[in-house]
Amino acid sequence: AQTVTQSQPEMSVQEAETVTLSCTYDTSESNYYLFWYKQPPSRQMILVIRQEAYKQQNATENRFSVNFQKAAKSFSLKISDSQLGDTAMYFCAFSTSYDKVIFGPGTSLSVIP
Amino acid sequence: DVKVTQSSRYLVKRTGEKVFLECVQDMDHENMFWYRQDPGLGLRLIYFSYDVKMKEKGDIPEGYSVSREKKERFSLILESASTNQTSMYLCASLARGNYEQYFGPGTRLTVT
Repeated sequence: AQTVTQSQPEMSVQEAETVTLSCTYDTSESNYYLFWYKQPPSRQMILVIRQEAYKQQNATENRFSVNFQKAAKSFSLKISDSQLGDTAMYFCAFSTSYDKVIFGPGTSLSVIP
Repeated sequence: DVKVTQSSRYLVKRTGEKVFLECVQDMDHENMFWYRQDPGLGLRLIYFSYDVKMKEKGDIPEGYSVSREKKERFSLILESASTNQTSMYLCASLARGNYEQYFGPGTRLTVT
């Protein structure tokens, strides 16, 4: 079965500090996409960052970067210079087809002023 | 700017009522999804559709049905609402080029 595990239900970080959210997944496929989605309180879920499994280079989007370890099936998200607006639920997810995206249980991140 | 809208942000229904949740996207996406979001469980797929009038069951389809009569609209139907269907319901559409899902704002349904 394809699964996504996020071992940290809740995390907190001081404003301007760096935090890393963990994610592991399980699939027998060799080609797939990995995602981190962000759901701010009472707001719409949006894509933070995407990684194609066939690309060795880790994806980056401004203050957000990933550490993709394909052999270990690990896909962590690093947020640098944390801001109050980063407070949200973060979901790790992967997809092997257009028909299905597997989501993890989420990590609730609080940025403390 | 891409948009996925859902008919209601909050909904309160009684046990046994028939409930309709509507989702509309303006991106001409073929694929649309209905998820249920519960604390600690993440997003669980109820149904998805890959074209007009086409639908496939997801992981938790029991107690739900869907309708896709037009490409831009995907409806979730609770035939007879029960208290265990109290949850947040999220609709999404998918861009086939990059696999990115675009989400609606969600409908928080309470069944009493």
